[in-house]
Amino acid sequence: GAVVSQHPSWVICKSGTSVKIECRSLDFQATTMFWYRQFPKQSLMLMATSNEGSKATYEQGVEKDKFLINHASLTLSTLTVTSAHPEDSSFYICSAGRDDFMNTEAFFGQGTRLTVV
Amino acid sequence: GQQLNQSPQSMFIQEGEDVSMNCTSSSIFNTWLWYKQDPGEGPVLLIALYKAGELTSNGRLTAQFGITRKDSFLNISASIPSDVGIYFCAGRGGKLIFGQGTELSVKP
Repeated sequence: GAVVSQHPSWVICKSGTSVKIECRSLDFQATTMFWYRQFPKQSLMLMATSNEGSKATYEQGVEKDKFLINHASLTLSTLTVTSAHPEDSSFYICSAGRDDFMNTEAFFGQGTRLTVV
Repeated sequence: GQQLNQSPQSMFIQEGEDVSMNCTSSSIFNTWLWYKQDPGEGPVLLIALYKAGELTSNGRLTAQFGITRKDSFLNISASIPSDVGIYFCAGRGGKLIFGQGTELSVKP
């Protein structure tokens, strides 16, 4: 299967600071990447769809100024949690779909555990 | 909005037993995907289904895409301890929608 790499795997930050999470497709180009949030013992909740070269599409209830997404190249999307607060602590996961599969299959990164103290 | 109902929520089984879990939806999906997630990791794709009625195997795993395109099941045969984890179904109509997950525990 395709490889999606996410970095860092975990981060602890102080309240009020910003944190950047990177998502890379290592062996394929991805015009679309997806960012999810997952709380303990719960399913994945789609936050936004990241489109290369254009603005991200956010799901209802997700603050776009809080969760900044940049998809500057066909292999890299970043999620920046701005002015983080303890309630932003969560597991964030990205995924990417290969264009040749028309995004039918989605491959996930390893996830990033964010803890805001 | 689209929702997936995945059951059971959790299963506690003995090593060697077979496992079955399923997902149902009120909406039609074009693709069904099954993932496994280990603690602290991202989901790993197990099986992808693209056609109604399709039955696909991956080792001890077998999954089927329901004829109505509104359901799918995943079977695991002869479970082993490393099968422990959370299994998610996901359906794609436009976006990828996830089920609530089935937490599997295997007792040696």
